Amino acid sequence: GAGVSQSPRYKVAKRGQDVALRCDPISGHVSLFWYQQALGQGPEFLTYFQNEAQLDKSGLPSDRFFAERPEGSVSTLKIQRTQQEDSAVYLCASSLGQGFTETQYFGPGTRLLVL
Amino acid sequence: ILNVEQSPQSLHVQEGDSTNFTCSFPSSNFYALHWYRWETAKSPEALFVMTLNGDEKKKGRISATLNTKEGYSYLYIKGSQPEDSATYLCAPRMDSSYKLIFGSGTRLLVRP
Repeated sequence: GAGVSQSPRYKVAKRGQDVALRCDPISGHVSLFWYQQALGQGPEFLTYFQNEAQLDKSGLPSDRFFAERPEGSVSTLKIQRTQQEDSAVYLCASSLGQGFTETQYFGPGTRLLVL
Repeated sequence: ILNVEQSPQSLHVQEGDSTNFTCSFPSSNFYALHWYRWETAKSPEALFVMTLNGDEKKKGRISATLNTKEGYSYLYIKGSQPEDSATYLCAPRMDSSYKLIFGSGTRLLVRP
């Protein structure tokens, strides 16, 4: 079956521009995660959804970052007034449940470059 | 702040060499350890999920061991091939948290 897909794969934005990153999880997966990977580092947790409910947004770095999953499937991560420090790879992952042995399946990421 | 460390940061080996790298993590409140392999321009691919002290998992030429008492895991690749070139990430799950805490990864380059 289809895996997690993300779009766009690459995005170049001018500083101050708003961007929207899309994630299509595996069908039927209840849990959805967003991670941010800065250059040379491992992915860092941003936010978590269980169906349409955003249960944890503790990793969002500022109030310029906003995520939604209105119908419990597709999710969008929006970054307002982008800054250069927002340049990173944004990864989306989904899992069937939230058990601690549950595998999170990742998309290929969106590479964002803010000039 | 949880500290997950992976070493070495990068590794260059010749085709056919066997290699191994380390993931260390806090041993308290440990629930599970996930290993991922991430090739450039592709999605991170799940390799193993490990939970029990002394656990050993194997997938083809890749194997992993887990020591939860001292807080480390080893990943071994036997007879490395160029297609093994990737970044290998470990991520423990601590407490009952659903989030993965990733290390910085080990970048492996296998020269033909």
